[in-house]
Amino acid sequence: SQTIHQWPATLVQPVGSPLSLECTVEGTSNPNLYWYRQAAGRGLQLLFYSIGIDQISSEVPQNLSASRPQDRQFILSSKKLLLSDSGFYLCAWQGEGNGYTFGSGTRLTVV
Amino acid sequence: KQEVTQIPAALSVPEGENLVLNCSFTDSAIYNLQWFRQDPGKGLTSLLLIQSSQREQTSGRLNASLDKSSGRSTLYIAASQPGDSATYLCAVENGGFKTIFGAGTRLFVKA
Repeated sequence: SQTIHQWPATLVQPVGSPLSLECTVEGTSNPNLYWYRQAAGRGLQLLFYSIGIDQISSEVPQNLSASRPQDRQFILSSKKLLLSDSGFYLCAWQGEGNGYTFGSGTRLTVV
Repeated sequence: KQEVTQIPAALSVPEGENLVLNCSFTDSAIYNLQWFRQDPGKGLTSLLLIQSSQREQTSGRLNASLDKSSGRSTLYIAASQPGDSATYLCAVENGGFKTIFGAGTRLFVKA
């Protein structure tokens, strides 16, 4: 069966520090992969999506970037975090004809 | 541009009550609609996925319906339990690798 792993679960980082969040999927190949951010009390905002290795689309201009070095690995990064980057980050995958499956999320607090 | 609205934003009911959560969308040309459950600080758990050609889906005490012509979906929860307390989100996929999420309905079931 397919599973999705996302880590770390929580992270507290100072302003100006780098960021790397990782997401991996097991049990499927060539999934569509997504990074979402959920601000407190608000809906999900699509940040990046990927339909294949090194094929990344950005939805919102911001301080973040994404990479997909392997078929089932999706990484969210930043060179210098801002206070406004705080939030709940969710990775998701989607197989053909299927809905979304989400990871357990990363709570990022920038201080 | 697709817009997804969930009403009510919050709902409190006594245990055992049957309830209906609403999701409306503005563009009826959808691929599918998915209902999720989110517990505080956790990722999204998929409940039901309704394809564009389907009218409803059922899983246990949950039943989701889809009426594309009116731009509406409902999630029916039978015999609610305190463990059903969570935020429920609907998500509409229009294609193009983009899915629009509603802001959610926060449900509290009182014992």
